[in-house]
Amino acid sequence: GENVEQHPSTLSVQEGDSAVIKCTYSDSASNYFPWYKQELGKRPQLIIDIRSNVGEKKDQRIAVTLNKTAKHFSLHITETQPEDSAVYFCAATYGSGNTGKLIFGQGTTLQVKP
Amino acid sequence: DTGVSQDPRHKITKRGQNVTFRCDPISEHNRLYWYRQTLGQGPEFLTYFQNEAQLEKSRLLSDRFSAERPKGSFSTLEIQRTEQGDSAMYLCASSYPEQETQYFGPGTRLLVL
Repeated sequence: GENVEQHPSTLSVQEGDSAVIKCTYSDSASNYFPWYKQELGKRPQLIIDIRSNVGEKKDQRIAVTLNKTAKHFSLHITETQPEDSAVYFCAATYGSGNTGKLIFGQGTTLQVKP
Repeated sequence: DTGVSQDPRHKITKRGQNVTFRCDPISEHNRLYWYRQTLGQGPEFLTYFQNEAQLEKSRLLSDRFSAERPKGSFSTLEIQRTEQGDSAMYLCASSYPEQETQYFGPGTRLLVL
């Protein structure tokens, strides 16, 4: 079925530490994996994405890794700052062709303590 | 603001009433998606348009829900005979042709009393 599992559901770190969020997906045909950040009462904002032909992608303090064989991908945030506190969602595309329908994980609430 | 816009931002209605939401995608985005998000959960796919054609509907989507995109630009989502379980944030997203990146609107928060 169409399923994305995300862990942990909550994560608390000290400012400056690293945070890692992991997701697994069920459809081997999935080929696009975005990560969204959602602050309270606001829209989901894309922070980084990765495609199946790439194993790792980095953008400043944020990186994503993908293991297609194991069907899992992870978000890594280094040198965390209080403004990184938010809910983070992973997602994967599902469906035949290139519909782009996203199936989301359950979300991870990240708290960065000053 | 050239991002995805949605109207209204908030809607309170009584059970049994019909409601309609509007989404205006980013200009030149031919794909438009509707998602529903309940508190503490990730967005849940509802339906998807490419231009004016509705190409996919979630199996979870009740027949009380209908969506249109008559001219391939803005879209409307109507919920008939609302139920308390319909209370959620309804999010719209759009994307460029042949690109996977979806940009979300601010959402319409629905409360059914």
